[in-house]
Amino acid sequence: DAGITQSPRHKVTETGTPVTLRCHQTENHRYMYWYRQDPGHGLRLIHYSYGVKDTDKGEVSDGYSVSRSKTEDFLLTLESATSSQTSVYFCAISPPDSNEQFFGPGTRLTVL
Amino acid sequence: QKEVEQNSGPLSVPEGAIASLNCTYSDRGSQSFFWYRQYSGKSPELIMFIYSNGDKEDGRFTAQLNKASQYVSLLIRDSQPSDSATYLCASEASKIIFGSGTRLSIRP
Repeated sequence: DAGITQSPRHKVTETGTPVTLRCHQTENHRYMYWYRQDPGHGLRLIHYSYGVKDTDKGEVSDGYSVSRSKTEDFLLTLESATSSQTSVYFCAISPPDSNEQFFGPGTRLTVL
Repeated sequence: QKEVEQNSGPLSVPEGAIASLNCTYSDRGSQSFFWYRQYSGKSPELIMFIYSNGDKEDGRFTAQLNKASQYVSLLIRDSQPSDSATYLCASEASKIIFGSGTRLSIRP
């Protein structure tokens, strides 16, 4: 594995509650990404970061926010979870001068 | 909306045969192309990337790129049961766009 962990690995929550997912890397890479994966949709980019405090939106960013206060940590927050955000969430990192991405183990989130 | 299209499968191939996975992309600005393998319940892992037209070989895997036709393929020679997985194609212009994946099943 590329030194990426995600926490929690599984979470069940209720509609309307805030949820924060954590991605932690030990590789010191600049680029980090959050994706969601749903049947029939593949991986869709939510947000990404190109450095501490530098983030940008992906294709499905509505309802999500991110923060990166340290190189090693990239947090994804659902301010008020909805059932449509039930999904598997993957974090990924990208080495310098490379387009390759390496994925964390994923977090399965269920919003009831 | 930039897209990457894959046949969802399942694609069933006998053990020892060649598995051929195909992908088309819509963004002509795409420069890099990737194939990821994803076992059920696991995270995607990169198996091949290709930037130039033509073929790129790595062991039993060959990636093929035809930019004029906006077509990428992955060939798996001597297919093994351990190759049974979902294969995700991705293209990159300014951002990476993933296809929804093709499920491959290798039958003994």
